Amino acid sequence: GENVEQHPSTLSVQEGDSAVIKCTYSDSASNYFPWYKQELGKGPQLIIDIRSNVGEKKDQRIAVTLNKTAKHFSLHITETQPEDSAVYFCAAPTRDTGRRALTFGSGTRLQVQP
Amino acid sequence: DARVTQTPRHKVTEMGQEVTMRCQPILGHNTVFWYRQTMMQGLELLAYFRNRAPLDDSGMPKDRFSAEMPDATLATLKIQPSEPRDSAVYFCASGHSGGAGELFFGEGSRLTVL
Repeated sequence: GENVEQHPSTLSVQEGDSAVIKCTYSDSASNYFPWYKQELGKGPQLIIDIRSNVGEKKDQRIAVTLNKTAKHFSLHITETQPEDSAVYFCAAPTRDTGRRALTFGSGTRLQVQP
Repeated sequence: DARVTQTPRHKVTEMGQEVTMRCQPILGHNTVFWYRQTMMQGLELLAYFRNRAPLDDSGMPKDRFSAEMPDATLATLKIQPSEPRDSAVYFCASGHSGGAGELFFGEGSRLTVL
């Protein structure tokens, strides 16, 4: 199946700074790469995703970049705010499920200091 | 406001007892997933249904876990007998079939087995 590795496991930044989280995946046929945000006591929620036919996608303060050759993708958050504090997960389709289920990275706990 | 509904939100039980968790997927979604979240293992896929048919439950301990979809509005995950190592947050998610795409997660069922 797919193997997704995520770094760093924790990240602390000052409000207004940028945050970058990186993931690598193993299945070169994967074509969909979402990022989920999980707040305390809640389920993960999709914040941005990218498909393999593009290299970058932006949505206001968040962006995702994809390097298919190197098999890695990154989440970029600019002008961080305290409400960005949460756990972030990257994911990739699970080959064994016909690529419909997702394999998640181990998560990054982001703390934005006011 | 369409969302995935899970019950119970919290469950404390004693080792050996049967536990049933329930999920109501978003109306119109035809794929349902059960994930388990622990600090050590992160988010693990337990089972996956499409059009109510189980397509993958390879992540589920078969001797004690079972997952079903009695109808399109209800998915269940049962543990019998429960063990302390089953303590975790269990998430249900739903989505559309037809390729990789967004999964919508419920708020989870936090299970504690004493």
